[in-house]
Amino acid sequence: KAGVTQTPRYLIKTRGQQVTLSCSPISGHRSVSWYQQTPGQGLQFLFEYFSETQRNKGNFPGRFSGRQFSNSRSEMNVSTLELGDSALYLCASSFFGTSNNEQFFGPGTRLTVL
Amino acid sequence: DAKTTQPTSMDCAEGRAANLPCNHSTISGNEYVYWYRQIHSQGPQYIIHGLKNNETNEMASLIITEDRKSSTLILPHATLRDTAVYYCIVRSSSNTGKLIFGQGTTLQVKP
Repeated sequence: KAGVTQTPRYLIKTRGQQVTLSCSPISGHRSVSWYQQTPGQGLQFLFEYFSETQRNKGNFPGRFSGRQFSNSRSEMNVSTLELGDSALYLCASSFFGTSNNEQFFGPGTRLTVL
Repeated sequence: DAKTTQPTSMDCAEGRAANLPCNHSTISGNEYVYWYRQIHSQGPQYIIHGLKNNETNEMASLIITEDRKSSTLILPHATLRDTAVYYCIVRSSSNTGKLIFGQGTTLQVKP
C-alpha cells in the first residue's frame, strides 16, 4: 500500500511569489491535514480537509490556504511569500481524521524563500 | 487537548529497552495518547496510540497508568536507527485532524 506522497520535495521561491504544494493521501483516506515545521516554532497545524471541506484550522494568516479534491488529494497555497515561510511543509492523511484514527505523514516539501 | 510534558533528552544503550515517559495530568476521559517519532528532516512516523489499556504492536509498547495521567513508551530492543525525536501527543475528539506537537524527547541510542 503506497504511503502519503508530496510534491515537489524541494522548492526555492523569492519573496512576494506564491507557491502551491500537493499531497496525495493513502488510498481510502479522506482526511488530509497540513503542518508547518520550522526550527523556531516546531511542528504546527495549518488546517485539515475532509470530503472537500475545511474542517479544522490552525492559527495561520489568510495567505495560507488549501483545498481538497473529490479524490481526496489536497493542495495548499501560500501567497505573497515571506522569508519566514521557509519551512518543511508536511501533510498527513487518515481515514476520518477522528481521534482514534492514526495519521500517516508524507516526507514533506522543503520550501526555501529567498 | 491536554498538555504533555516530556524530558528533553534521553540516552539508551543499543540492545537495551528504551523507556520514554510522558506526563499528561490534565487528560480527559475521551482523549487518546499518541506517540510519533521523527528522524531528522523526515516526516513524523506513527508508533502507537491508546485510550486506557496498554497497547503493543511490532514497534513498541504503550503503558498508560490507571489514572491516565502519565504513560510510557517502551522500545524493547533499541537500535541505532531508533535515534530520533519522540513526541507524546494527547488528542481530543473535538479537534479533528489535528495533532499538537510539543518539543518531544530526543532519544540517542548509543553503541
